[in-house]
Amino acid sequence: AQSVTQPDIHITVSEGASLELRCNYSYGATPYLFWYVQPPGQGLQLLLKYFSGDTLVQGIKGFEAEFKRSQSSFNLRKPSVHWSDAAEYFCAVGSTGGGNKLTFGTGTQLKVEL
Amino acid sequence: NAGVMQNPRHLVRRRGQEARLRCSPVKGHSHVYWYRQLPEEGLKFMVYLQKENIIDESGMPKERFSAEFPKEGPSILRIQQVVRGDSAAYFCASSPPGTGGANYGYTFGSGTRLTVV
Repeated sequence: AQSVTQPDIHITVSEGASLELRCNYSYGATPYLFWYVQPPGQGLQLLLKYFSGDTLVQGIKGFEAEFKRSQSSFNLRKPSVHWSDAAEYFCAVGSTGGGNKLTFGTGTQLKVEL
Repeated sequence: NAGVMQNPRHLVRRRGQEARLRCSPVKGHSHVYWYRQLPEEGLKFMVYLQKENIIDESGMPKERFSAEFPKEGPSILRIQQVVRGDSAAYFCASSPPGTGGANYGYTFGSGTRLTVV
């Protein structure tokens, strides 16, 4: 069964600093990979997704993620964090066999210090 | 164009009561998904529906939970005889037809926070 691990429950960074959120997945084939952001009290918004091709994916709000098959990772990065980026971030994996459901990680809560 | 609309935003029920959660998908979207987010956990898939059909309910608890997506009107997630363990955030998502569903990237609603007292 597929699974997603986000090893960092909480991360605090200073505004303007760079950010990397870790995500490791377990899946037998080439996965569909996603990052979602959940601002406080709101629903989830899709930041970016990877299906195939270029392993460096650009998303909205200045975020990017890199797929590394050898490490089963899909880490999210941002060169300079803004205070408005404070939110919870979820990595998720879909299945190539069927597109009905996503398996989510437990999330990383990002706090931004001014 | 409105996104996925869920109501109510917050719902408080006493143990043993029924909870009805509503979800109106994005206009033109015919696929609806329900997920549950328990405290300190990620989202867990519950059910996938198309109009008048349950396609995949592999994540639904066997008892007390049901879902529907009628030809007209919103999708409803119904929880009968709620217990404290049902307290969670319930999220609905939708996707257009013919896009591969989840792998297209859902549009999520803002969720319903259910509290059972």
